[in-house]
Amino acid sequence: TQLLEQSPQFLSIQEGENLTVYCNSSSVFSSLQWYRQEPGEGPVLLVTVVTGGEVKKLKRLTFQFGDARKDSSLHITAAQPGDTGLYLCAGLPISNFGNEKLTFGTGTRLTIIP
Amino acid sequence: NAGVMQNPRHLVRRRGQEARLRCSPMKGHSHVYWYRQLPEEGLKFMVYLQKENIIDESGMPKERFSAEFPKEGPSILRIQQVVRGDSAAYFCASSPLRSNNEQFFGPGTRLTVL
Repeated sequence: TQLLEQSPQFLSIQEGENLTVYCNSSSVFSSLQWYRQEPGEGPVLLVTVVTGGEVKKLKRLTFQFGDARKDSSLHITAAQPGDTGLYLCAGLPISNFGNEKLTFGTGTRLTIIP
Repeated sequence: NAGVMQNPRHLVRRRGQEARLRCSPMKGHSHVYWYRQLPEEGLKFMVYLQKENIIDESGMPKERFSAEFPKEGPSILRIQQVVRGDSAAYFCASSPLRSNNEQFFGPGTRLTVL
């Protein structure tokens, strides 16, 4: 069974601060996706990283995939109240054709205090 | 382009009744996935379907749960003889064929069993 551990589980910081959340596994993934989920809604896809060492930027969010494709990080610069939400990483296993289920991490619940 | 649609958004059932959850994938998407999110837990994979085929049902409970994705119409997740432990948010995701396997989620159906 492939597990994804996210840390921290909860994070509450002041508006304007920077933060990093982590997604770690002992398993190798073919790709990894980051989602944000707000209360009462479904997860919204933020980014997909595929190549080991890959870095992607989405405005103030920077995503990195570990060289060994076992871990990932999300860094937010100058956090804003609109960044509040549950951040989920989800890994896609090295695929046997047809086996494309996502394994979700435990989640990081982020609160930005105005 | 409309996103993934799920209905109903909220469903209340008494123990022993049947629950039917519907999912219409994004236009052009031929892959559907169902996930369950228990309170204060992460999303867990249930089943992966393509049109008229179940590809992977390794996350489905052995009894009372079934899923289909007919040639015409939405995908249906059916829970027979519901119990209180079935109370959860059920999310459907869809993806196009071979696109880094990015999955796009619907808003979910929140099932409450009284």
